[in-house]
Amino acid sequence: GAGVSQTPSNKVTEKGKYVELRCDPISGHTALYWYRQSLGQGPEFLIYFQGTGAADDSGLPNDRFFAVRPEGSVSTLKIQRTERGDSAVYLCASSSRGGEQFFGPGTRLTVL
Amino acid sequence: AQSVTQLGSHVSVSEGALVLLRCNYSSSVPPYLFWYVQYPNQGLQLLLKYTTGATLVKGINGFEAEFKKSETSFHLTKPSAHMSDAAEYFCAVKDDYKLSFGAGTTVTVRA
Repeated sequence: GAGVSQTPSNKVTEKGKYVELRCDPISGHTALYWYRQSLGQGPEFLIYFQGTGAADDSGLPNDRFFAVRPEGSVSTLKIQRTERGDSAVYLCASSSRGGEQFFGPGTRLTVL
Repeated sequence: AQSVTQLGSHVSVSEGALVLLRCNYSSSVPPYLFWYVQYPNQGLQLLLKYTTGATLVKGINGFEAEFKKSETSFHLTKPSAHMSDAAEYFCAVKDDYKLSFGAGTTVTVRA
């Protein structure tokens, strides 16, 4: 079956712009996670959804970052007023409840 | 909070030689530990995991890791490196539902 997909694969934007990153999880997976991987570092947790609700958003760096999962499937990570420091690869993962996390290929965000 | 530390950001090995990647963890409870591999422009792929039970864990592609509680370590090994093993490797610990990753070790394989 299909794995986790993320779109776009690459996104280049200018400082101050708004961006949306999309994640399509594996069908039937109730849990969805967003991580951010900066250059030369391991992924860092951003937010965790169980169903439609954000069960833990403690990893979001500030209020410019927001994520939704309105129907309990596709999720969108939204970044307002982007800054150069937001440049990173944004990874999405999904799992069954308590199960192994399967990762998507990521979206590489570059803020000029 | 639980965390992991990977020793060595870059490892270079000859084809056919032993691959050894080091990971130490910090955890106040019995940890769930993982090794992931990341090939260029691809997502993370699970190599192996330790939850409970046998401390020597075998994974895909000939990799294995041993959980040593006394040393708080979970080092990854492969007896004989192949060119296709060139990638970045991440150790991770599961803290409830979230994964905390090390900084990663890049492996290059010399012909």
